[in-house]
Amino acid sequence: EAEVAQSPRYKITEKSQAVAFWCDPISGHATLYWYRQILGQGPELLVQFQDESVVDDSQLPKDRFSAERLKGVDSTLKIQPAELGDSAMYLCASSLGGLAGAYEQYFGPGTRLTVT
Amino acid sequence: AQTVTQSQPEMSVQEAETVTLSCTYDTSESNYYLFWYKQPPSRQMILVIRQEAYKQQNATENRFSVNFQKAAKSFSLKISDSQLGDTAMYFCAFIGGSQGNLIFGKGTKLSVKP
Repeated sequence: EAEVAQSPRYKITEKSQAVAFWCDPISGHATLYWYRQILGQGPELLVQFQDESVVDDSQLPKDRFSAERLKGVDSTLKIQPAELGDSAMYLCASSLGGLAGAYEQYFGPGTRLTVT
Repeated sequence: AQTVTQSQPEMSVQEAETVTLSCTYDTSESNYYLFWYKQPPSRQMILVIRQEAYKQQNATENRFSVNFQKAAKSFSLKISDSQLGDTAMYFCAFIGGSQGNLIFGKGTKLSVKP
């Protein structure tokens, strides 16, 4: 069964360093999401792509976070510089897209980031 | 703004028993979808069940069923014949008809005891 791949699974970095996460969605899925999940809370959307275009990045802290999905396939989320408050699980999800809600979002295993 | 509220941070149930997890939501949209997602410890989130707001019939998936009360904006999940593998965080989530991103509640940690 096809799955969303993410790497690395765990990342420890020092404050002020740069960090990057990678996501490979299920083949054929046009829509890709990056969520941040703080311990003990539900995920919150950071950015949504439709193919290679950003659909929603209203909650992305653009002074330090950036995301790209070149060629509309895999995606990279970058944080520079990392802050202590960025410690969280970063989840990637993908869906076939189309009518909002009509298609299931499939989640990857996530990247657990710890900033020291 | 849409919000999703899960009022039970933790619950426990004996194996083979039935448990109900609560969820309420707030929206002004008329067309939307509601979901329950399961996140087992150290494993990825998976969809448990989905309900379309325009459907009056409650969704059912094997041992999982929902009680969707549209007027009350309530969407509870019932797990019958609980199994040890049901131990997980359960998140209620919402998508409005005009947006593509899930809005999640804070989750309910369910422990199934032998």
